[in-house]
Amino acid sequence: ETGVTQTPRHLVMGMTNKKSLKCEQHLGHNAMYWYKQSAKKPLELMFVYNFKEQTENNSVPSRFSPECPNSSHLFLHLHTLQPEDSALYLCASSQEGGTSGTTNTGELFFGEGSRLTVL
Amino acid sequence: GQNIDQPTEMTATEGAIVQINCTYQTSGFNGLFWYQQHAGEAPTFLSYNVLDGLEEKGRFSSFLSRSKGYSYLLLKELQMKDSASYLCAVIDGNYQLIWGAGTKLIIKP
Repeated sequence: ETGVTQTPRHLVMGMTNKKSLKCEQHLGHNAMYWYKQSAKKPLELMFVYNFKEQTENNSVPSRFSPECPNSSHLFLHLHTLQPEDSALYLCASSQEGGTSGTTNTGELFFGEGSRLTVL
Repeated sequence: GQNIDQPTEMTATEGAIVQINCTYQTSGFNGLFWYQQHAGEAPTFLSYNVLDGLEEKGRFSSFLSRSKGYSYLLLKELQMKDSASYLCAVIDGNYQLIWGAGTKLIIKP
């Protein structure tokens, strides 16, 4: 139990569907992140929110749309995805966020991820 | 470009010692992390090095040489539960976190 909870754990969707991934952190942190993890590839930072403000968008296609209503919750809205978007999507939090997904202390707390399959 | 290299997969025997290497080429350096990720689970923090030398934490140790752009994670008295992927990540000069692709460690009885 890392204090970061992601739902759903598994999601299968067609290319025309609209779905959302949810992340909630119970650690009192001020920064939250979305990462994409594909097999045998480095983690790819997608979005960073620091004190509810988006501070990073790493050239992510517009079919991924983040939402951060408060510092404890983060969503990733998905629509018209492509099969190559199939991956594990990890949410993380940290006490505070620097730019581009890190902090001076650096420790990230990850959720267990949402395994997305796009048919 | 910036790059982190670590072996894709390693195999070791229960009770033995294994060293997982990580080399990096980044624009500046502000620290290096090791995370452990069991299959289907969240990555969890193992260690952080910012100065040269060895940091020991129980059965796990992490070493850093900034001049060589090199780190290793040393796991002693291997247990079956140590089977996992080990991720190396570097904070570059702009405080961006650069990740390696991870090393899958397989422990055999």
